Amino acid sequence: ELKVEQNPLFLSMQEGKNYTIYCNYSTTSDRLYWYRQDPGKSLESLFVLLSNGAVKQEGRLMASLDTKARLSTLHITAAVHDLSATYFCAVDNAGKSTFGDGTTLTVKP
Amino acid sequence: ETGVTQTPRHLVMGMTNKKSLKCEQHLGHNAMYWYKQSAKKPLELMFVYNFKEQTENNSVPSRFSPECPNSSHLFLHLHTLQPEDSALYLCASSQRGHSNQPQHFGDGTRLSIL
Repeated sequence: ELKVEQNPLFLSMQEGKNYTIYCNYSTTSDRLYWYRQDPGKSLESLFVLLSNGAVKQEGRLMASLDTKARLSTLHITAAVHDLSATYFCAVDNAGKSTFGDGTTLTVKP
Repeated sequence: ETGVTQTPRHLVMGMTNKKSLKCEQHLGHNAMYWYKQSAKKPLELMFVYNFKEQTENNSVPSRFSPECPNSSHLFLHLHTLQPEDSALYLCASSQRGHSNQPQHFGDGTRLSIL
């Protein structure tokens, strides 16, 4: 059974700081996704990572994938308040997505 | 119009009631999903439909009954629910076979069982 672990589960950081969220998974995967969820809202796709060494960037967020280590990272650069949300990674295997527990990020002024 | 629409947004029901949740996707996708999101278990896959056929039932109790009449519509029929079933129920769709496409989620139905 595929297991997906995110850490940290809760992250409080100051504006302007950098931080990384980690996503570990237990078995070989076809692809990995990062999603964002704002309170009371649905999940919004951020990144799709398909191959070893894949790196994608959008604004202050950058995601990477190391399939050999079964690890993906979501790096936040110079955080701003608008990035406060819960971030989920999801890993595909045999046509099914398994989600991590999510990392709730709070960016404080 | 949003890609995946869920109704109702909020639902309060007693344990003996029967109700249905509806999901409609306007993206031309061939797969649809039901997820349960609660505080204790953040996101749990319940059912997967691929080309209207159920391909995954993640050990969901029979008091939840899915229905997929066509590839654009998905229902979740509810009956004799328990208080622990109170949660946010999310519907999603995707295009299977397209490796770079994520799932698209609806806004969810917030379900409260009295």
